[in-house]
Amino acid sequence: LAKTTQPISMDSYEGQEVNITCSHNNIATNDYITWYQQFPSQGPRFIIQGYKTKVTNEVASLFIPADRKSSTLSLPRVSLSDTAVYYCLVAPVSYNNNDMRFGAGTRLTVKP
Amino acid sequence: GAVVSQHPSWVICKSGTSVKIECRSLDFQATTMFWYRQFPKQSLMLMATSNEGSKATYEQGVEKDKFLINHASLTLSTLTVTSAHPEDSSFYICSARDYGARYGYTFGSGTRLTVV
Repeated sequence: LAKTTQPISMDSYEGQEVNITCSHNNIATNDYITWYQQFPSQGPRFIIQGYKTKVTNEVASLFIPADRKSSTLSLPRVSLSDTAVYYCLVAPVSYNNNDMRFGAGTRLTVKP
Repeated sequence: GAVVSQHPSWVICKSGTSVKIECRSLDFQATTMFWYRQFPKQSLMLMATSNEGSKATYEQGVEKDKFLINHASLTLSTLTVTSAHPEDSSFYICSARDYGARYGYTFGSGTRLTVV
């Protein structure tokens, strides 16, 4: 599993765009990048997944440069309810992948 | 979408007793399930990988005799904490892979175990 590095914490204000970057220098060719959100006392929730370039869904965008050694989760116009821990996970999306180890995650605090 | 149901959501038990936590995939078959442990303000720590019909694979440092995992069907995996002690108090989370869905992994809501 490619080791990931994220900032431990970030602060933002309501209405701002938040970008969280994850470094994964030894990402493998068949690895995908997936971001999860976790609120206290809840299981992680899928946010977005990508392999290269840019992916956008109704809640976030994911930017992946050509070398894929990093990725950036972009949350547009955050609100107080976006306060959570965000995890970047790099792993193959394959039948026999049994390697689902999480990094430290980024604790995002959104202030009014 | 894929749903993983985890029960109970919280449990309090006395030292020396055993506690069973269930993890069910509600609308898909899960050949593989994962069990995690999470301490306050820390990341999820993978404890073991559970494969249907075979023995679980435990991470280094996790006592397999203390944390018994059974994955007897494609929709149910259980984690039994045996002879629980206060240091076993933690948040336990399961996850399952829906191979029919591109994005894959779905997590349960977690179980808060408190051993008194």
